[in-house]
Amino acid sequence: NAGVTQTPKFQVLKTGQSMTLQCAQDMNHNSMYWYRQDPGMGLRLIYYSASEGTTDKGEVPNGYNVSRLNKREFSLRLESAAPSQTSVYFCASSDRDNSPLHFGNGTRLTVT
Amino acid sequence: AQSVTQPDIHITVSEGASLELRCNYSYGATPYLFWYVQSPGQGLQLLLKYFSGDTLVQGIKGFEAEFKRSQSSFNLRKPSVHWSDAAEYFCAVGAGDDKIIFGKGTRLHILP
Repeated sequence: NAGVTQTPKFQVLKTGQSMTLQCAQDMNHNSMYWYRQDPGMGLRLIYYSASEGTTDKGEVPNGYNVSRLNKREFSLRLESAAPSQTSVYFCASSDRDNSPLHFGNGTRLTVT
Repeated sequence: AQSVTQPDIHITVSEGASLELRCNYSYGATPYLFWYVQSPGQGLQLLLKYFSGDTLVQGIKGFEAEFKRSQSSFNLRKPSVHWSDAAEYFCAVGAGDDKIIFGKGTRLHILP
């Protein structure tokens, strides 16, 4: 039972480069989330998707785009990476809004 | 929109002592409330959750939390901490729209 799988685990980008972070869950969950974690800032919600075909902005959406490709997959795209986007990114999923989040292992992104 | 505040960035307690971590939320109706723990270099694990019913909830690892509507609080407690409880603790709030917001976290240090 894989749970929530994120790829890649590590990534180094140069300023201005683009990349997509992939996330897939095998629990048939409806909701999926992208958070970033920075020291002293906790987890901040970037985007979330309450169901297949819908996406909504979170607390810090600027500089990011998302795609809910199907019920299993929710990708996060950085079109033009900036050093301020250096962070650890977590994908999560849940069955419904009062259910706990299941987290992936995170992607450590460094933008130089 | 909901928000959550964890007033204490760091807390240090002696092994065997009791613990209380504070969490205050802002939301007009009854929120969904969660506590998660993140050990160094690890992902996030759910400790406990509240969404209705008994205001005192029991979680894993001997933790409990009490929902107090009048104080907009959901404080986490443990009667006797162990060295393995050293970690970062996050309170999170949901408002029924699938949007889950986290606090900035409290880092717990344990003195031997």
